[in-house]
Amino acid sequence: DGGITQSPKYLFRKEGQNVTLSCEQNLNHDAMYWYRQDPGQGLRLIYYSQIVNDFQKGDIAEGYSVSREKKESFPLTVTSAQKNPTAFYLCASSTTSSPSYEQYFGPGTRLTVT
Amino acid sequence: GNSVTQMEGPVTLSEEAFLTINCTYTATGYPSLFWYVQYPGEGLQLLLKATKADDKGSNKGFEATYRKETTSFHLEKGSVQVSDSAVYFCALSDRETSYGKLTFGQGTILTVHP
Repeated sequence: DGGITQSPKYLFRKEGQNVTLSCEQNLNHDAMYWYRQDPGQGLRLIYYSQIVNDFQKGDIAEGYSVSREKKESFPLTVTSAQKNPTAFYLCASSTTSSPSYEQYFGPGTRLTVT
Repeated sequence: GNSVTQMEGPVTLSEEAFLTINCTYTATGYPSLFWYVQYPGEGLQLLLKATKADDKGSNKGFEATYRKETTSFHLEKGSVQVSDSAVYFCALSDRETSYGKLTFGQGTILTVHP
């Protein structure tokens, strides 16, 4: 089955540690995205990538980093510089050939930093 | 810039009641419009979409019509079920000005009681 996988589902870290969230897709999509979701709020875009080896900052990129070395993978690192890292993180992908660019989402990773 | 405004929630209904969740948007280009649904602890699933004015998206009994004159994309369902309880997000993708990026509303929590 085609889809997006994110691992792990739950992640716990101590303050001051960097942590990397995994996102893999087998949909052959060119574009991939990372969003952050906080309780009672919509989704906010962290980073996106439209092609391998290229990515752009979204609306809230500070304290985060990404890489796009393979089409299938778009890992997100939450660094110690991110002031409020506890949140639900969602990865998505889309084709760039469709006129509507609908995005397909993974199941999410809930990160708790104490 | 682009923005999406959803009716404030939460919305609580009895089973078989009629559902409307209002969504209005602001966009500088020609957006595609989406409704996504999120069940507790999960990622977002695409519910329906519309890519041009007067298009009607429909899926699982839900419908929404792209109204350019009122810049709206209201979600409706004639008879809700308990299993429809979830958070619903309206979103837009503006191909002209924000290549592939989704702008989300804040989400509306729907609870359906038996």
